[in-house]
Amino acid sequence: GENVEQHPSTLSVQEGDSAVIKCTYSDSASNYFPWYKQELGKRPQLIIDIRSNVGEKKDQRIAVTLNKTAKHFSLHITETQPEDSAVYFCAASIYGNNRLAFGKGNQVVVIP
Amino acid sequence: EAEVAQSPRYKITEKSQAVAFWCDPISGHATLYWYRQILGQGPELLVQFQDESVVDDSQLPKDRFSAERLKGVDSTLKIQPAELGDSAMYLCASSPGTGQLQPLHFGNGTRLTVT
Repeated sequence: GENVEQHPSTLSVQEGDSAVIKCTYSDSASNYFPWYKQELGKRPQLIIDIRSNVGEKKDQRIAVTLNKTAKHFSLHITETQPEDSAVYFCAASIYGNNRLAFGKGNQVVVIP
Repeated sequence: EAEVAQSPRYKITEKSQAVAFWCDPISGHATLYWYRQILGQGPELLVQFQDESVVDDSQLPKDRFSAERLKGVDSTLKIQPAELGDSAMYLCASSPGTGQLQPLHFGNGTRLTVT
């Protein structure tokens, strides 16, 4: 099955700086890559996703890039704010089965 | 915005007891998922339903776990008997359907503590 790994496990950034989280996946057939944000004690919420026919997608301060050849994708958060502090999970799935394999998560801490 | 409802929010039980969790997906969502999230880990799929049918339960420990979605709407996940290692957050999620790349909508989860 699909194996998704995230790096680094914890990331601390100064408010206003950028944060980058990288995920690698194992199954070259995977073609859907969402990112979820989970605040302490709350549900995971989708923040952005990308499909394999697109190399980059941006939504305000958040962007995701995909490198299919290297089988990795990254989440970029610019101008970080304290409310960006959370655990971020990447996931991958194969078109048609909608079964997501999640990474272990990255704790992002934005220091005011 | 419609949400996935789960209950109870917290559950404490002794090992060897039975526990049950309930999930009501977003109205009209055909696909329902139960995930288990151990502290510090990502969610792991336990079972996936399409309407009332199980489409994937390969990771469900069937000797003690069972799940049903009798009318293709709400769902119940049961553990009997509970073991210490079952302590985790149990998340329910739904999506409009499989065959399309639809985002999953998660509920707030049930945090289970087995003592």
